[in-house]
Amino acid sequence: AQSVTQLGSHVSVSEGALVLLRCNYSSSVPPYLFWYVQYPNQGLQLLLKYTSAATLVKGINGFEAEFKKSETSFHLTKPSAHMSDAAEYFCAVRGPNTPLVFGKGTRLSVIA
Amino acid sequence: EADIYQTPRYLVIGTGKKITLECSQTMGHDKMYWYQQDPGMELHLIHYSYGVNSTEKGDLSSESTVSRIRTEHFPLTLESARPSHTSQYLCASSGASGSTDTQYFGPGTRLTVL
Repeated sequence: AQSVTQLGSHVSVSEGALVLLRCNYSSSVPPYLFWYVQYPNQGLQLLLKYTSAATLVKGINGFEAEFKKSETSFHLTKPSAHMSDAAEYFCAVRGPNTPLVFGKGTRLSVIA
Repeated sequence: EADIYQTPRYLVIGTGKKITLECSQTMGHDKMYWYQQDPGMELHLIHYSYGVNSTEKGDLSSESTVSRIRTEHFPLTLESARPSHTSQYLCASSGASGSTDTQYFGPGTRLTVL
């Protein structure tokens, strides 16, 4: 079975500051890991995904995440926060041919 | 750009009504999913389908039912709505197998049962 834990239900950063959203996973098989973003009253949009091709994954909107097997982590980062980054972020994991399992989400606030 | 549609986007109904939430995708994906999400909360898988005439229950127990008669269509039905069903319902689909199997989401249906 797979699961993810997102540390921090709410993260607040200043505009221009580093964004770091934490995600740790548990999986009995090599995992596929995903980050999604959700803006108010919308569905989920894929930011990036790890599929074992490279440990550092670059996504849309300047986000990237690094897969660290030794730490069972897949933290999401962005060097410089923008006001438009304010949203809910979900980490998700799945095994081969299984549905996604989501974390509880982290709400990112960006302060001007 | 993923093409997956959900209707209605918002629905307010009274207790006891039968409702069907529609989900359609134009990508030819074999796999489709329904998630339930309470405001500001995590997503819970309630139903999924890996092909026509195949449906499975997800991790979260739900009083809803689904059908998959056509590849592109995956409706969710509540026979008798109750206030506890008030939530957002998100539909998703995916098509490839293995590592490239990415789930694409619709915009969601926000249901309020009075």
